This record gives sequence, C-alpha cells and structure tokens, in this order.
Amino acid sequence: KAGVTQTPRYLIKTRGQQVTLSCSPISGHRSVSWYQQTPGQGLQFLFEYFSETQRNKGNFPGRFSGRQFSNSRSEMNVSTLELGDSALYLCASSLLGGLNTEAFFGQGTRLTVV
Amino acid sequence: AQSVTQLDSQVPVFEEAPVELRCNYSSSVSVYLFWYVQYPNQGLQLLLKYLSGSTLVESINGFEAEFNKSQTSFHLRKPSVHISDTAEYFCAVTSGNTPLVFGKGTRLSVIA
Repeated sequence: KAGVTQTPRYLIKTRGQQVTLSCSPISGHRSVSWYQQTPGQGLQFLFEYFSETQRNKGNFPGRFSGRQFSNSRSEMNVSTLELGDSALYLCASSLLGGLNTEAFFGQGTRLTVV
Repeated sequence: AQSVTQLDSQVPVFEEAPVELRCNYSSSVSVYLFWYVQYPNQGLQLLLKYLSGSTLVESINGFEAEFNKSQTSFHLRKPSVHISDTAEYFCAVTSGNTPLVFGKGTRLSVIA
C-alpha cells in the first residue's frame, strides 16, 4: 500500500512569508501528527489531528497551525516565517493514534528560510 | 511530563562488532518506550517498542532493547552490526495519552 506522502519535499522561503505543507496519510488512517526536526532541538511535536479535530498540541507559537480534511489529508501552515523555522517537518499517520497502532512517517518536507 | 536523554550523539563502530545505544527517560507516571531509526533522507521507521510484558523486546533485524524500570533506561543493543545499520536512532517515550517525546538521536556509523 502507498506510504505517507508529504509535499513538497523541499522548500525555500524568505523571512516574513508564509508556507503550507501537505501530508497525505496511508489510506484508512485517521490520525496525523506533525513534528519539527532540527539538529539542535531534535524532534519536537507540533500537533495531532484525528477525524478533523486537533487532539493534541505541542509548545509552538500560534504562527504554526494545521488542519485536517474529511479524507484525513492534513496541512500545516507557518506564517511570518523566521530563520529559526528552517527544519525538516515530518508527518506521521496511524490508524487511530493509540499505542497499539504504529505510526508511519513520511519522508518529510525540508524548509529553508532565508 | 516526560523527557528522554540519549547519552551519545555519535557512535562509531566496526562492522561485526557489538553496539549499545543508550537511552534514559524521566517520567512521574508509567511509560511506554520506542526506538525509531532514520536512514538518510528518509522519515522515521519503528524499530521496536515496549508496551508491557517481557522487558526484553526484539526487532526483526537483530536489535534488542531492555526496559529497566529501576534505572529508567531502555538501551538498544545489537551483537553484530552491518554497514546497512548506519543510520540515526531515536528513543521515544509516552505515557499513553500524550504525544511521543523523542531524544535528540544517536548517529550510528558502521565502519568497514
């Protein structure tokens, strides 16, 4: 079956701009989580969506937002980009989001802010 | 809240030698523990997990990890590594109803 698809794979944006990243989960999966990965901070949880509702939220400023559509596809948006937002953004999907359902990660979107 | 410490940021090891990647966690409640592997330019893949039962868990490619509650550790081991094991390894913890908290990763480099 097809894996988790993240688009685009690479992005270069300018400070102050906004960006939208997309994640298509594995068919049938209803939970989508987003993580930011940087060399200094490692992997940090952004938010999780389940059946179009935000179920958990990490400790990121309001410039980071997300949503999930009825087909479980998810988008995350970052407004007023800062240099420190440069990172690999990873999306993970799972059937229900619980412990006994494995999370499958996409290859990520590498965002560079210049 | 939980936290994870991976004590080694980089571990070089010769092919066919044993390796141990260390992971310690902090939590005030019961935890569930995971190891993920990330190959270059890839997302994360689940390697193994401890949810309950036997404290020794194994993966299909020869890795094993042991949950030690008294030492709050979940170290990953392999008795004989291959070149193909070169990757970054992440330890993660959750209390069950909270998102995964990851360590900062250990880069394993296997030398021929």
